[in-house]
Order: sequence, then structure tokens, then C-alpha cells
Amino acid sequence: SQQGEEDPQALSIQEGENATMNCSYKTSINNLQWYRQNSGRGLVHLILIRSNEREKHSGRLRVTLDTSKKSSSLLITASRAADTASYFCATDSNNNDMRFGAGTRLTVKP
Amino acid sequence: ETGVTQSPTHLIKTRGQQVTLRCSSQSGHNTVSWYQQALGQGPQFIFQYYREEENGRGNFPPRFSGLQFPNYSSELNVNALELDDSALYLCASSIPYYNEQFFGPGTRLTVL
Repeated sequence: SQQGEEDPQALSIQEGENATMNCSYKTSINNLQWYRQNSGRGLVHLILIRSNEREKHSGRLRVTLDTSKKSSSLLITASRAADTASYFCATDSNNNDMRFGAGTRLTVKP
Repeated sequence: ETGVTQSPTHLIKTRGQQVTLRCSSQSGHNTVSWYQQALGQGPQFIFQYYREEENGRGNFPPRFSGLQFPNYSSELNVNALELDDSALYLCASSIPYYNEQFFGPGTRLTVL
């Protein structure tokens, strides 16, 4: 079963705008990760945030984590057409399985 | 450094048949996880292998089985294929305690 739920399911923006995607999960976690997938291919790891962290940055990416609300957000600043992809959050706890949400499909129009 | 590779890329089978999918892990990674991704959904965890032993399993029936070899490559076997088994099968390799997983490009399985 899937752990997380991403919101929105789909997002369409213009190049240069910021994109914000949210993820909610149900059980306690060790880490939360965000992955990107282009056109049904393999996933690419973007960023990991640990349960004791609240915010993390990597280039144009900013991730926040609120464990009290069991939610996370991914912000992509100054988006580019090449950012068009599906974005997934994934959580892991203590039983070695990583649980993914259903993803947000981001379209960045040039 | 060689990335994760999977074979075959695409596969078409009929209901009731058996299939074997293969995965070569990234150099130095001794943990391999398998996922099933249905169209429009996120990946669902099937199982994980660490040093040739199953190290965790998701909610999949026993007809989904796996192997890991001494070189850390892995196989996913699915018996008695059903139409709902049609999906993209992803494998990912990692190192214990480093949670980032490196994914292969996937095998697209179609069951007719």
C-alpha cells in the first residue's frame, strides 16, 4: 500500500515560476526523500531530509518537513522546461521498505 | 562507475506464464530493492535483498520471488502471471544506512 499522498496530482506552470508540491504520510518515519521520474523511466534521487531536520536546500530545490503534521513540501524555484517530470515523495521507517506516493505531474511550459 | 542496469527493456507475456527480470546493481552496492509501478501510480515495494538474503517484503503474493547473487546482481521471478501484473518493474541498488537508492531504467512487462 502507498504511504504518501502528493498534492496536487498535476501542476502546470510557466518557465521561471516556482513550483510547490506537497506530500502527506501516515506513519512515523526515519527519512523522507523526493524523487523525479521522466516519462515512465527510472527514478532519480533529488534530496533526502531526516526526521530531525525541518528544512533542506539543494540548488533550486527546497524541502521542508513537518513531522507533527506528517507532511513535506518540495519547492522548485525558477523552473525550467527540463523540470517537466513526475515527482514522488518516499518515506522509510524501520522495516526496509520505502513507500512512495502517487506523484505530482509537473509541466513547465516554455 | 557503472549505474544500475535492467534487462530486458520490454517484455510481453500471456496470462499464466512465468517471467524472470534481471538487475545489475551499481558498483559497490550490496542491497537491491524491487518495485512495481502501475501506470499513473507510484512505485510499490516488492522486496529487498541484502547479501543474498531477503531483507524485507511488501504486500505481494509468494508467486513474486527473487534472488540475489554473490556479485549482488538480482532476479525477480513472477509465476502464474495475471493481467494486473502488467507494470513497470524497477530495481534500485543502495548501500545500507545510506538511504538514497539508485534506480535502473525499468522493465516494462505487458501481460495479455
